Amino acid sequence: DADVTQTPRNRITKTGKRIMLECSQTKGHDRMYWYRQDPGLGLRLIYYSFDVKDINKGEISDGYSVSRQAQAKFSLSLESAIPNQTALYFCATSENDRGYYGYTFGSGTRLTVV
Amino acid sequence: EDQVTQSPEALRLQEGESSSLNCSYTVSGLRGLFWYRQDPGKGPEFLFTLYSAGEEKEKERLKATLTKKESFLHITAPKPEDSATYLCAVRASYSGAGSYQLTFGKGTKLSVIP
Repeated sequence: DADVTQTPRNRITKTGKRIMLECSQTKGHDRMYWYRQDPGLGLRLIYYSFDVKDINKGEISDGYSVSRQAQAKFSLSLESAIPNQTALYFCATSENDRGYYGYTFGSGTRLTVV
Repeated sequence: EDQVTQSPEALRLQEGESSSLNCSYTVSGLRGLFWYRQDPGKGPEFLFTLYSAGEEKEKERLKATLTKKESFLHITAPKPEDSATYLCAVRASYSGAGSYQLTFGKGTKLSVIP
């Protein structure tokens, strides 16, 4: 099994619908992150969490919300999806230290909003 | 504001033709510079972390180097399986929650032709 698992892998949804992307990890890491990746723009941070009670906004949090249900689970929600939220979404984790090994990424969720 | 610029955007090499990818960065104190490899449809995979100018890391045909303003990823005698997008990211040394965020470049897409 993968260290960081994202579900679903692919999702097509309609404008205005609420959608949740889920992430679970077996790394035992405290820190979890949600990024989106767009062609020509690179990876941009949406939200991050250092533990269950610590949630922080990233660079592009508008239109998104998150929930840290447990140390191993971090969900990203789009309350009312819009077409410009079409992107590849990645969940990542890092250790509770200086993060020498950087992040461990999931395989991504490809979201299309029509 | 932390900035990471990667060049070139795309690079085509013949198998065995060595070359280098560049990552220029602007950050308020560097806590770490990271290189990742990303294959199509997959999450980024960690390659190296560099912390201080003059540091070098090697893995198979890849060698990463770091100066005060930029990092290079040298690829020696590449093979077709080295084809991927290579991402560079930096972590700043300022204190607080933000110090654990990574700022990513847009990547260099490498194609190695047999």
